[in-house]
Formats: sequence, C-alpha cells, structure tokens
Amino acid sequence: GQSLEQPSEVTAVEGAIVQINCTYQTSGFYGLSWYQQHDGGAPTFLSYNALDGLEETGRFSSFLSRSDSYGYLLLQELQMKDSASYFCAASSNDYKLSFGAGTTVTVRA
Amino acid sequence: DVKVTQSSRYLVKRTGEKVFLECVQDMDHENMFWYRQDPGLGLRLIYFSYDVKMKEKGDIPEGYSVSREKKERFSLILESASTNQTSMYLCASIESRGTGVTEAFFGQGTRLTVV
Repeated sequence: GQSLEQPSEVTAVEGAIVQINCTYQTSGFYGLSWYQQHDGGAPTFLSYNALDGLEETGRFSSFLSRSDSYGYLLLQELQMKDSASYFCAASSNDYKLSFGAGTTVTVRA
Repeated sequence: DVKVTQSSRYLVKRTGEKVFLECVQDMDHENMFWYRQDPGLGLRLIYFSYDVKMKEKGDIPEGYSVSREKKERFSLILESASTNQTSMYLCASIESRGTGVTEAFFGQGTRLTVV
C-alpha cells in the first residue's frame, strides 16, 4: 500500500524559508514529486526526485533520501503568491501515483 | 500545452442516480487517473489506467467504476450516487519521460453534489 505523511499547515513571513517534510511508505517506490494548488485551482507540478539528493528549480528545491523514505520541499524567499497547498506524491512501479494530505502554507506580510 | 478537460465544472445529482464524469486529454498520454479531493484528506486515488481498456483500483474504489475505451478518454462512473460521494473529482494525465521524470497534468475538477 501507500501512505504519505506531511504537516497540515505552516505559516511564515514574506522572505522567509519554509521546509515541508514528507515521509512515505510505498511499495515499489519509484520517485517523489511535489505539487502546488491554489484555492479553487488544479494541482500543478513543481518537481520530481527519483534519485537521492537535491533538485533546484528557482526558489523551490526538493530533496529525497530513499534510504530514509523521506523528502522535503524547500521554499525560499517566500512571496505572498506562494500561499497555497503543497502535496507530496509517490509514484511506484505499478504506475500508481498517490498523494499526501497536503500542507497549507500561509505567507504573512 | 497539455490540456486535460473534464466535462463539467459543477454537477448536482440525486441519490441513486448513475453519474458519468468524463475526462479527455490531448497529449497521447498512456496513464490517466481519477482522484477525489476532500478537505483535510488530500487527493485520494479512486482508479487509474495505464493503457486502453486497462484499469486498476486505487485506494478508494468502492462505489465507482471506470471506462477507458480510447486512449484520450477516461470516464469515472458512480453506479448509484450517494451523499458521501459529494466531493471534488480531479482527473489527471501523466507524462512519463525517458529520464524517469513523471509529471501529472490535472483537469480543472468537477465539484459533484449528491442530494
């Protein structure tokens, strides 16, 4: 089966750095991805890690440790527009893609 | 740009009705998924398909079925709608690239209310 755990909410000020952790239990684990969803919108892809280490995409970075079944999304130089829900998702070798419950990030001025 | 289109944005159905939710993608993706999204529960996988006429149960398949007769279309069927199936339903189409990167493209969602 699949299960992913992430914090339910995080609040930070503009310009700060936020780290959203995700631990997973996934049979046939293939890779970990991250999605952003604004209120009323559809989830959109942010990043994907299949190998251990850090992937950087602009202000956002994602990390994976396969041995620890753990990953995180790092949001740097927070902006108001980053207020959204963030989901980690595990893909497995049976074509399945399962999501965590999501982390609501609130950015304060 | 990849486009995933869901047939309805809002839908109201009566208890016991058979409900069809349609999803079409235009990028020739092999993998398609149906999720429901409820507050505090994230996206829960109902069914997925990795090829035409192939379907696999997700984590919460009870009360649902699916159909994939053509590659571009993946339909979710509520056999007999119940009030606990009131939810936001999201369809996704997955691009799997040679590098192993997988990216899901989502439709705008169908907010279904069962009364």
